[in-house]
Amino acid sequence: DAKTTQPPSMDCAEGRAANLPCNHSTISGNEYVYWYRQIHSQGPQYIIHGLKNNETNEMASLIITEDRKSSTLILPHATLRDTAVYYCIVRAFYNQGGKLIFGQGTELSVKP
Amino acid sequence: DTGVSQNPRHKITKRGQNVTFRCDPISEHNRLYWYRQTLGQGPEFLTYFQNEAQLEKSRLLSDRFSAERPKGSFSTLEIQRTEQGDSAMYLCASSQLETGTYEQYFGPGTRLTVT
Repeated sequence: DAKTTQPPSMDCAEGRAANLPCNHSTISGNEYVYWYRQIHSQGPQYIIHGLKNNETNEMASLIITEDRKSSTLILPHATLRDTAVYYCIVRAFYNQGGKLIFGQGTELSVKP
Repeated sequence: DTGVSQNPRHKITKRGQNVTFRCDPISEHNRLYWYRQTLGQGPEFLTYFQNEAQLEKSRLLSDRFSAERPKGSFSTLEIQRTEQGDSAMYLCASSQLETGTYEQYFGPGTRLTVT
């Protein structure tokens, strides 16, 4: 699975959009981009995943660049409850049922 | 609450003692995963099961660690002769392949402190 790079921390004002970047320049054609988050003292929580098209669900939007070397997770209206560590993970299609390899993630602080 | 439960939530033990943790996955999920997380780090994969078969084990899973899922439902993770370096949060997750989604649902974890 490809390696990912994320900024260690970010701040966002409550009510504003939070845009969390992820670099995955070595991604290959059969690898998906997944996002999980971990609120303090809880287990990680799945947010969204995608291959090459932009994806949206009730939690967030995922924008993947055309060359697929980077992506951005967008929380459209961040709330204090979105304060968490966000992990960007790349997984091969054939490994989608297998392990997750977490990096250090981005610690997002949403401030009032 | 994701539907994945772990017990106990906290365990304090003395070095050299054995400990066992239990994970109850979402009932229809056939895959069950164990991860370990130390302070300030992301979770690290330990092992996973499909039904009762253990399909992969990490090199992190030394011979002091053993995991079982005897009937393809709940799972146990045992650590023998605990060491201070075993202090961590132990996370369990489950998933269901057949639905075509691959998201893993995590439990709240068991925090182990070895004194």
